[in-house]
Amino acid sequence: QLQLQESGPELVKPSETLSLTCSVSGDSLSNSAYYWGWIRQPPGRGLEWVASVYYSGSTHYNPSLQSRVSVSADMSKNQFSLELNSLTAADTAVYFCVGLRQFGGLPVKWGQGTLVTVSS
Amino acid sequence: DIQMTQSPSTLSASVGDRVTITCRASQSFQTWLAWFQQKPGSAPKLLIHKASILESGVSSNFSGSGSGTEFTLTINSLQPDDFATYYCQQYYIYPWTFGQGTKVEI
Repeated sequence: QLQLQESGPELVKPSETLSLTCSVSGDSLSNSAYYWGWIRQPPGRGLEWVASVYYSGSTHYNPSLQSRVSVSADMSKNQFSLELNSLTAADTAVYFCVGLRQFGGLPVKWGQGTLVTVSS
Repeated sequence: DIQMTQSPSTLSASVGDRVTITCRASQSFQTWLAWFQQKPGSAPKLLIHKASILESGVSSNFSGSGSGTEFTLTINSLQPDDFATYYCQQYYIYPWTFGQGTKVEI
């Protein structure tokens, strides 16, 4: 059964870079049926798709974040990662890693989420 | 970007009520729409995709309909476990976008 687990810092300083990793179990990152991505949710607010990566290396980014975000996949570790730079308080959110199907649009499997707070 | 607008933002209901949530899109995209349920402290759970296809294991108490720019999620008989926040999401074109959510409360 596919499972995803986020890991990374809970607190980062403004202007710094956030690095999060998602460990995938129960399936291979190279399964062509899935894209792998990140969705975030500021406290008390709605959901925002951030970025996605395919096993081929193809990536897609939300234009609102494109200049600050990068996503990559490590097939050998069955992990994928998110980097978000130039952080501000507005980036404080729960970050979910997700497995997406239907050409990468449908988040069918979610990690439990990790709260990242941007504060000095 | 396609803007997704849900109504109402909050819905007060009782156990046994029939509840309908509407999601409107700023442009038409056939049926590339999903519905999620989220409870506090948990990740969203996929309920329906392709506007009306129920996910495996999801109660048949839930149903979805619509196409183009207007979609609905219906809960036929509200159960205690259904009190949660519901989100729609379009996956027709990047960037994927969500509605702002509808909180169903007692």
